[in-house]
Amino acid sequence: DAGVTQSPTHLIKTRGQQVTLRCSPKSGHDTVSWYQQALGQGPQFIFQYYEEEERQRGNFPDRFSGHQFPNYSSELNVNALLLGDSALYLCASSFSPSGNTDTQYFGPGTRLTVL
Amino acid sequence: AQKITQTQPGMFVQEKEAVTLDCTYDTSDPSYGLFWYKQPSSGEMIFLIYQGSYDQQNATEGRYSLNFQKARKSANLVISASQLGDSAMYFCAMREFNAGKSTFGDGTTLTVKP
Repeated sequence: DAGVTQSPTHLIKTRGQQVTLRCSPKSGHDTVSWYQQALGQGPQFIFQYYEEEERQRGNFPDRFSGHQFPNYSSELNVNALLLGDSALYLCASSFSPSGNTDTQYFGPGTRLTVL
Repeated sequence: AQKITQTQPGMFVQEKEAVTLDCTYDTSDPSYGLFWYKQPSSGEMIFLIYQGSYDQQNATEGRYSLNFQKARKSANLVISASQLGDSAMYFCAMREFNAGKSTFGDGTTLTVKP
């Protein structure tokens, strides 16, 4: 049973560029959440996708956007990159027939470095 | 106000002993879940244990148990018989089901000494 997968593993970009991160949920899961984890801190919730729509959003600017595909996989896009966007980006999937109650399982993350 | 507070930045425990990692939370949502995750140096967040706000009994999963005190809004993780492989960062998290938001604490680094 494949767990949550993310690509790429590492990424280096320069300020002002745009980046796309990808996530495939655990088999049987239909909900994907994205988190940003700065070094030495806990993950911060970016947004959650369910049924191809953004269901919830944390306190992140519009530069952060996402998408969920019919196969439940998801992308996180960040435009106009800033140095402060350097972080580990974690994807988590869950099965939510009634909403938000199920346990989230995390992928290995994408380490983004902005120079 | 901080929604999740982990007051112990770092903890040490001797191998084979038990250790308690503290977590307090703050919410007005009557329906919520509390989670503990382990994050080794590799970075992957590993789910350990879950406690629902309406659960009457404390959750247990193998060597992990959650000491849930609802009135005090605390959800401490107890690891029994510590192993060297338990050395990692541990995060307490809360999901407020009506709001649909997830919040993590700042984590506790646990070091198990041989």
